[in-house]
Amino acid sequence: NAGVTQTPKFQVLKTGQSMTLQCAQDMNHEYMSWYRQDPGMGLRLIHYSVGAGITDQGEVPNGYNVSRSTTEDFPLRLLSAAPSQTSVYFCASSREGTPSYNEQFFGPGTRLTVL
Amino acid sequence: KQEVTQIPAALSVPEGENLVLNCSFTDSAIYNLQWFRQDPGKGLTSLLLIQSSQREQTSGRLNASLDKSSGRSTLYIAASQPGDSATYLCALLYGNNRLAFGKGNQVVVIP
Repeated sequence: NAGVTQTPKFQVLKTGQSMTLQCAQDMNHEYMSWYRQDPGMGLRLIHYSVGAGITDQGEVPNGYNVSRSTTEDFPLRLLSAAPSQTSVYFCASSREGTPSYNEQFFGPGTRLTVL
Repeated sequence: KQEVTQIPAALSVPEGENLVLNCSFTDSAIYNLQWFRQDPGKGLTSLLLIQSSQREQTSGRLNASLDKSSGRSTLYIAASQPGDSATYLCALLYGNNRLAFGKGNQVVVIP
């Protein structure tokens, strides 16, 4: 199993550009989510999904779009990049079932700089 | 809203000492608590998961406790080594498998 994979590893954008951060998992997990990590702020939830076709907003959703057409993939779209979106982005997944057993698995992250 | 606090934010200890890292939270309605390790510029590695019904969990030199009534968890690392230098993150699982994170304990173990 590859686990949770994210591409690209690094990206530099100019203000106003759009791009998609890719996330995929091969563990047949129902739950997937996106977090951003900023110095002094910790990790904050952007969007999450409880299954294919179902997504919802997290703590900091503005400026981001998501969709979940398959169980395996959960891409994060930046519609019009802003310097405030400079951050490290992590994707996570976990299985369905008894919540107390649900361990979260994280991808290696995408380091995004917006100039 | 769940608030998660990790104290101390940073600490340095000499090699061989035991490490004690604290995590406190405001809402006891959690499913589980997970401790992660993060090395500089890297992703998150899961260390331990404590279910909400458990009091502690152990893995090798690591032991984590959970007291929901007081809103606290503690991570103990016995006989610290320079390779333990990293940031340790506490995260609480709540509804729809979402995580609320603390800001981390940054640890340096001095040889």
